[in-house]
Amino acid sequence: QLQLQESGPGLVKPSETLSLTCTVSGAPISSADYHWDWIRQPPGKGLEWIGSMTYSGTTHYNPSLKSRVIFSVDMSMNQFSLKLRSVTAADTAVYYCGRHVRREGPDYWGQGTLVTVSS
Amino acid sequence: QSVVTQPPSASGTPGQKVTISCSGSSSNIGSNTVNWYQQVPGTAPKLLIYTNNQRPSGVPDRFSGSKSGTSASLAISGLQSEDEADYYCATWHDGLTGHVVFGGGTKLTVL
Repeated sequence: QLQLQESGPGLVKPSETLSLTCTVSGAPISSADYHWDWIRQPPGKGLEWIGSMTYSGTTHYNPSLKSRVIFSVDMSMNQFSLKLRSVTAADTAVYYCGRHVRREGPDYWGQGTLVTVSS
Repeated sequence: QSVVTQPPSASGTPGQKVTISCSGSSSNIGSNTVNWYQQVPGTAPKLLIYTNNQRPSGVPDRFSGSKSGTSASLAISGLQSEDEADYYCATWHDGLTGHVVFGGGTKLTVL
């Protein structure tokens, strides 16, 4: 059974870089069929897709966030990561990692991790 | 403001059938498939329907999905108190840089 687990700091200062890692178990991150997602949800608001990557480097982005997002993959650890630069309070959210196979939304989700942007 | 629109709220009494709509355009729902998710507050979204009308293993057949043109619908029959949650649709949006888009979400209240 595929499982995903987010990890990273729960508090980030304004203007700094938010960094999160998703550890995947139950499936190889190196499958060509899998796209690894990041999604976020501000407190009390709806879901926002940040973007996705494959192990080989194919990426897709939410156009509104593309300029601040960096993705990376660590196949040896079966992990993928998100960096979001120049954060503000508006980036405070629960961040989820996930997976999609077709051109659809994610079919698997991590449990989510709250990141607060505050000085 | 999402490019895919859902009603912000819906309600029904136990046993009733409720339908939640998801409206898009030819650039998203009209040319791609739709997923539906259920989210109980404080938990991660759960996949309810994929590829317009397919149920993952373990999802009751009370939940069904459909798509026609640029709109999709989630129907919940035999409404139960535990169905009270937020529901989101998601689809792929075509363009120079294709990406996933979520509807704004519908809060379902079981009266």
